[in-house]
Amino acid sequence: SQQGEEDPQALSIQEGENATMNCSYKTSINNLQWYRQNSGRGLVHLILIRSNEREKHSGRLRVTLDTSKKSSSLLITASRAADTASYFCATDGYNTDKLIFGTGTRLQVFP
Amino acid sequence: EPEVTQTPSHQVTQMGQEVILRCVPISNHLYFYWYRQILGQKVEFLVSFYNNEISEKSEIFDDQFSVERPDGSNFTLKIRSTKLEDSAMYFCASSDRAGGLNEQFFGPGTRLTVL
Repeated sequence: SQQGEEDPQALSIQEGENATMNCSYKTSINNLQWYRQNSGRGLVHLILIRSNEREKHSGRLRVTLDTSKKSSSLLITASRAADTASYFCATDGYNTDKLIFGTGTRLQVFP
Repeated sequence: EPEVTQTPSHQVTQMGQEVILRCVPISNHLYFYWYRQILGQKVEFLVSFYNNEISEKSEIFDDQFSVERPDGSNFTLKIRSTKLEDSAMYFCASSDRAGGLNEQFFGPGTRLTVL
């Protein structure tokens, strides 16, 4: 079955630094999405990248996808304290629209 | 910006009781989902719903669970006889599948505590 695993599990950085989080999965995917979750709150959709795309940008976010390595990365540039949250990747397949979530990366940005 | 809403935000119930969790998806969306997240664990898929029927369900979604779209705006998850292990955060999501994309937008969740 598909399974997303993020690394690192936790990341602490200073404001202004860049944060990079990685996600790996096991089977072929249709799309890969990244979500943010503030502690105990809901999931906020950040960005979707299709399996035939290699890179996508949205504001300070940059997502890459390497289907040959079954991996994706999320880069947050010029981080802010408000970026402190858990970040999850989620994948879906060609015959299913259920999302399979990864384990998440807990990002702490210190002011 | 339109968003998915869920009520209640927190539900406390006794084991064996029935609970109904409510969701109002984004108004022009036609695909609806329930997920759950046990404290400290991954978000897990429960069920997807389209055109008034279940499209797909996970092995978690057993006979104790049911979903319904009772009117044009609400989407509910019912747990008939709650167990301690049903304690979790339950998220509703919706999608319009525009362009064939599966962007799913999540509500804030209902925290279910079974005592």
